[in-house]
Amino acid sequence: NAGVTQTPKFQVLKTGQSMTLQCAQDMNHEYMSWYRQDPGMGLRLIHYSVGAGITDQGEVPNGYNVSRSTTEDFPLRLLSAAPSQTSVYFCASSSKTFLAKFPDTQYFGPGTRLTVL
Amino acid sequence: KNQVEQSPQSLIILEGKNCTLQCNYTVSPFSNLRWYKQDTGRGPVSLTIMTFSENTKSNGRYTATLDADTKQSSLHITASQLSDSASYICVVSRLNNNAGNMLTFGGGTRLMVKP
Repeated sequence: NAGVTQTPKFQVLKTGQSMTLQCAQDMNHEYMSWYRQDPGMGLRLIHYSVGAGITDQGEVPNGYNVSRSTTEDFPLRLLSAAPSQTSVYFCASSSKTFLAKFPDTQYFGPGTRLTVL
Repeated sequence: KNQVEQSPQSLIILEGKNCTLQCNYTVSPFSNLRWYKQDTGRGPVSLTIMTFSENTKSNGRYTATLDADTKQSSLHITASQLSDSASYICVVSRLNNNAGNMLTFGGGTRLMVKP
């Protein structure tokens, strides 16, 4: 199993450009999520999905879109990049039991480091 | 407000020594607490998950404790190795029907182990 994979590893954008960060998992996990990590701050949830066709907003969703057409893939789209979106982005997945009384492990991808000039 | 505070922010220890990292939280109602290890430039990796009824859980040289009454947790690292140099993140989950805001992440403790 490859686990959770993310592409690209690094990306530089100009203000106003759009792009898609890719995330895929091969563990058949229902729950997937996107986080951003900024220096000195904890990870913050951008969007999440509890299954194919179902997405919802997290703590900091503005400026980002997601879709979940398959169980495996959960891309994150930046509509019009801004310098405030300079960050490291992590995708994570876990089994459906994540939402249940007995938690399951959450697996993170290696991250995408994004710089917006 | 649901918060997770970790201390110290950073720590330097010599190889072979033990250390303890602290996590205090105000998240309510509590569901479970997780400790993650994050190597520089990598994604977080789960070390332990503890529910309300668990006081201690070990994973090799890592031992996590939980006091749900005082809302405190600690991560003890025994006989540290150079490979333990990383950030350690405490994450608290709360019981909530909305999966979007179940997890609250601490800012992490950056540990450096020197030879």
